[in-house]
Amino acid sequence: DAGVIQSPRHEVTEMGQEVTLRCKPISGHNSLFWYRQTMMRGLELLIYFNNNVPIDDSGMPEDRFSAKMPNASFSTLKIQPSEPRDSAVYFCASSWSGQGDQPQHFGDGTRLSIL
Amino acid sequence: GENVEQHPSTLSVQEGDSAVIKCTYSDSASNYFPWYKQELGKRPQLIIDIRSNVGEKKDQRIAVTLNKTAKHFSLHITETQPEDSAVYFCAASNQGGKLIFGQGTELSVKP
Repeated sequence: DAGVIQSPRHEVTEMGQEVTLRCKPISGHNSLFWYRQTMMRGLELLIYFNNNVPIDDSGMPEDRFSAKMPNASFSTLKIQPSEPRDSAVYFCASSWSGQGDQPQHFGDGTRLSIL
Repeated sequence: GENVEQHPSTLSVQEGDSAVIKCTYSDSASNYFPWYKQELGKRPQLIIDIRSNVGEKKDQRIAVTLNKTAKHFSLHITETQPEDSAVYFCAASNQGGKLIFGQGTELSVKP
């Protein structure tokens, strides 16, 4: 059974460019989570969706970040314009429950470097 | 908002010894407590979880205990092996659907 699939695995781009990260959750899961991981701040929840609807985006750092989930199989996290301080590993995770009482399964992450 | 504190931040043990990592949480409504292991350059992987209606759970060399009154939970690894070396994260969730992670513990098991 395929796990959470993220693309790209690595992204290096220049400051000011638009960056789009993609995620395919596990089939049948109805909750999807975007996290950012840095040495300084650890694992931070950016936003999560339940049944394709954004439930809590309080972790999104600023208006440069946006996320969408047009259907149950696909989500994107977009940064425009990108800045060097956005460099981090971005993880997507999915779960089959929106009640918060079921395991979240993580993808392999996207390592983002903004020059 | 909810906060999860994790200690210690680093832990070094000799192979075969036990390792204990402790976490405290602030939201009394939290009812699900997973533990994740993250090897260098890899994704966090669930290793064990416990729910608020259970005080202890064991899976081979790994056990987790929960004290709801004190709002703390612990991970116990017995007979540690070098492959247990990784960063371990605790987390607490509530019915809002969010997972709040601790800061992580870097475990080093020396042969």
